[in-house]
Amino acid sequence: EAQVTQNPRYLITVTGKKLTVTCSQNMNHEYMSWYRQDPGLGLRQIYYSMNVEVTDKGDVPEGYKVSRKEKRNFPLILESPSPNQTSLYFCASSLLGSANYGYTFGSGTRLTVV
Amino acid sequence: EDQVTQSPEALRLQEGESSSLNCSYTVSGLRGLFWYRQDPGKGPEFLFTLYSAGEEKEKERLKATLTKKESFLHITAPKPEDSATYLCAVLPSGTYKYIFGTGTRLKVLA
Repeated sequence: EAQVTQNPRYLITVTGKKLTVTCSQNMNHEYMSWYRQDPGLGLRQIYYSMNVEVTDKGDVPEGYKVSRKEKRNFPLILESPSPNQTSLYFCASSLLGSANYGYTFGSGTRLTVV
Repeated sequence: EDQVTQSPEALRLQEGESSSLNCSYTVSGLRGLFWYRQDPGKGPEFLFTLYSAGEEKEKERLKATLTKKESFLHITAPKPEDSATYLCAVLPSGTYKYIFGTGTRLKVLA
């Protein structure tokens, strides 16, 4: 089944404790992206990647890091989480240059930073 | 500044009562406009892509249309299972940074 898999689904952590949210896709998509979703603000792009070793900032990159060492994986790293990073996070992928297909989204990671 | 505005924020319909959701956009050039459906606690699910003014796409009870300034998602004779949040997004020309609207929460009552 074609899918984007995120882990974990739920995470509660403390301020300053480094964490990684994993994202993997099995569709050979070049383009992958991370979003956060907050009430009243909608989906905001954190980082995106157009291929292996090619990443770029979205609209809200502060406090986040990403890496793209393999085509299928695109982890999101919070080096020193803060309470304002409490949010619902989505990873998504698509075929680059094939905008017709839109994104395939993961199921989401609900992060709480206390 | 590129932006996307969806209206209304929320909509309650009786089963069978047709209506339309609006997505207004401001971009310097449009590569594509996308509609997604999002159920509570889940990731958005892709519905349609529209590329140019005048284009229309249909899927079951949903029909999306596009003009130069806005897109409509028409829902014909909705059923309770159509209840969800509907998201609109645009991909401006010359970029791969999608811009999402804040969505319309649709509730269809039996």
